[in-house]
Amino acid sequence: QKEVEQDPGPLSVPEGAIVSLNCTYSNSAFQYFMWYRQYSRKGPELLMYTYSSGNKEDGRFTAQVDKSSKYISLFIRDSQPSDSATYLCAMGKGGATNKLIFGTGTLLAVQP
Amino acid sequence: DGGITQSPKYLFRKEGQNVTLSCEQNLNHDAMYWYRQDPGQGLRLIYYSQIVNDFQKGDIAEGYSVSREKKESFPLTVTSAQKNPTAFYLCASISRQGVNNEQFFGPGTRLTVL
Repeated sequence: QKEVEQDPGPLSVPEGAIVSLNCTYSNSAFQYFMWYRQYSRKGPELLMYTYSSGNKEDGRFTAQVDKSSKYISLFIRDSQPSDSATYLCAMGKGGATNKLIFGTGTLLAVQP
Repeated sequence: DGGITQSPKYLFRKEGQNVTLSCEQNLNHDAMYWYRQDPGQGLRLIYYSQIVNDFQKGDIAEGYSVSREKKESFPLTVTSAQKNPTAFYLCASISRQGVNNEQFFGPGTRLTVL
């Protein structure tokens, strides 16, 4: 079993839709959680960073962490064609090395 | 502009050749990381370095080597011992360990073995 599971998609939605992206994990030691956006043939770009359980909002993006269920989500409101990309979840345990474990990524296509 | 640069953007290698991928950052970050990205497998950690002149193996270090002679630079050599080197290689850095966990990535190098 992988430490982090992420539905690879592809996920196709119409412009303006609410998008829900999810990851599950098995290691309860993970303390901080991130979402990255990666456009084709580019490096990942950090979108959201959350520490422990709860919600965090930044513009059209909301990140949720439910540590009791080992489940994290990224919601995108009023989705735009420019949101079309691969979304990677990542999580870490903290400590000296700051090693991250990544999900496989979900490919999102927002249709105009 | 502060950031992480990787070069070249595309690299072609013949069987049996060693090649070196460059990663430079002007963010004054302490730690640097190398990842490999393959379709359907996410990012896998190759090597990381927390300070100058020190580095540790990640999950898939076999066939790779690194050096960290300067804080700004963390080159990765893909040796002929790496059996399946065709992949997208990403370099990342982080400002202070244990305080700020956010890793920032470079634009990547796509390596293809001919």
